[in-house]
Amino acid sequence: GAVVSQHPSWVICKSGTSVKIECRSLDFQATTMFWYRQFPKQSLMLMATSNEGSKATYEQGVEKDKFLINHASLTLSTLTVTSAHPEDSSFYICSAPTGGRRKTYNEQFFGPGTRLTVL
Amino acid sequence: EDQVTQSPEALRLQEGESSSLNCSYTVSGLRGLFWYRQDPGKGPEFLFTLYSAGEEKEKERLKATLTKKESFLHITAPKPEDSATYLCAVRSTSNDYKLSFGAGTTVTVRA
Repeated sequence: GAVVSQHPSWVICKSGTSVKIECRSLDFQATTMFWYRQFPKQSLMLMATSNEGSKATYEQGVEKDKFLINHASLTLSTLTVTSAHPEDSSFYICSAPTGGRRKTYNEQFFGPGTRLTVL
Repeated sequence: EDQVTQSPEALRLQEGESSSLNCSYTVSGLRGLFWYRQDPGKGPEFLFTLYSAGEEKEKERLKATLTKKESFLHITAPKPEDSATYLCAVRSTSNDYKLSFGAGTTVTVRA
């Protein structure tokens, strides 16, 4: 299957600082990537859709000014949590569907996740 | 709005004791039903995609089936390494490429 990586795997930061998380598709191109967050013992909640070369699409209730998404290339999307607060502590996971520009999305492959802890 | 319900919430099995997990879904038009395995602190690992009723797929001790309203993930003679949370997700015609996830079933297999 396709491989998606994330960096860092975990990060601890102080309240008020910003944190950047990278998501890379290693062996395929991804014009679209997705960002999810997952709280303990809960399922994945889609936060936003990252589109290469255009603005991200945010789900209802997700603050776009707080969660900045940049999809600068066909293999890299970044999520920046700005002015992080303890309630932003969570497990952030990205995914990328195969299918590329043909948009015949089949499977979505997930990264290993990034554990963010805000003190 | 797409809805996905998984049951049971948790399942404790003895090694070798086969069982099934259920995923019920409501969508306007199904473009695909996906099964993932998630280990603690890890991202979901892709298992299967099913596209139409009657379709079945197998991988080692796992077999996924699909009807018009639900999917089953059968675990045959499970081993302790099959312990994980199994997630079901659907992709529908109304949501294009987005996945809607169920809450998951946490399976624990005791030796």
